[in-house]
Amino acid sequence: DTEVTQTPKHLVMGMTNKKSLKCEQHMGHRAMYWYKQKAKKPPELMFVYSYEKLSINESVPSRFSPECPNSSLLNLHLHALQPEDSALYLCASSQSPRGEQPQHFGDGTRLSIL
Amino acid sequence: QKEVEQDPGPLSVPEGAIVSLNCTYSNSAFQYFMWYRQYSRKGPELLMYTYSSGNKEDGRFTAQVDKSSKYISLFIRDSQPSDSATYLCAMCGTASKLTFGTGTRLQVTL
Repeated sequence: DTEVTQTPKHLVMGMTNKKSLKCEQHMGHRAMYWYKQKAKKPPELMFVYSYEKLSINESVPSRFSPECPNSSLLNLHLHALQPEDSALYLCASSQSPRGEQPQHFGDGTRLSIL
Repeated sequence: QKEVEQDPGPLSVPEGAIVSLNCTYSNSAFQYFMWYRQYSRKGPELLMYTYSSGNKEDGRFTAQVDKSSKYISLFIRDSQPSDSATYLCAMCGTASKLTFGTGTRLQVTL
């Protein structure tokens, strides 16, 4: 079991649905990340939150909306997704947003868009 | 040219073999180097983390960094079937934005 917990583990949704992915960590980490991973590819960074503020948005379409309600929680709100958005969505955290602090990943949410 | 190059494999070895996984990189700003192991349908698990040239050992795993050659390696001794997974190298500079290799699929056979 990882120390970064993601729910749900699986999600199937239609293109008109609205859903949210959740991520929680209790390691006191102050940086949290969302990644997207397609099959047989490495993770691709989507967003970085540093001390609960959005610090990096890797030009992600607006149908993905991140939220950091507090230092332990990270959400990713989904709306009007496309079939190509089907992927494994990974959350990660690190002690700080500086490179010397390694990132720890959750097991992801496997998302399928019908 | 990609910033990080990693042979995708698959790499198949018999149980008990020594495995060598490698990545090369081109960005001199990279200072921190990580190896992650990812099992099917799981997230990447941090195996090794290092920031200086030289070797770092943890049980059956040894991470090696050669900054002058821009080359990093992960050695697995006495490989086990449970080591079968995809191994991702990752690296970053002073900011925490990771650059990953493509991952190497490893299969350890009985």
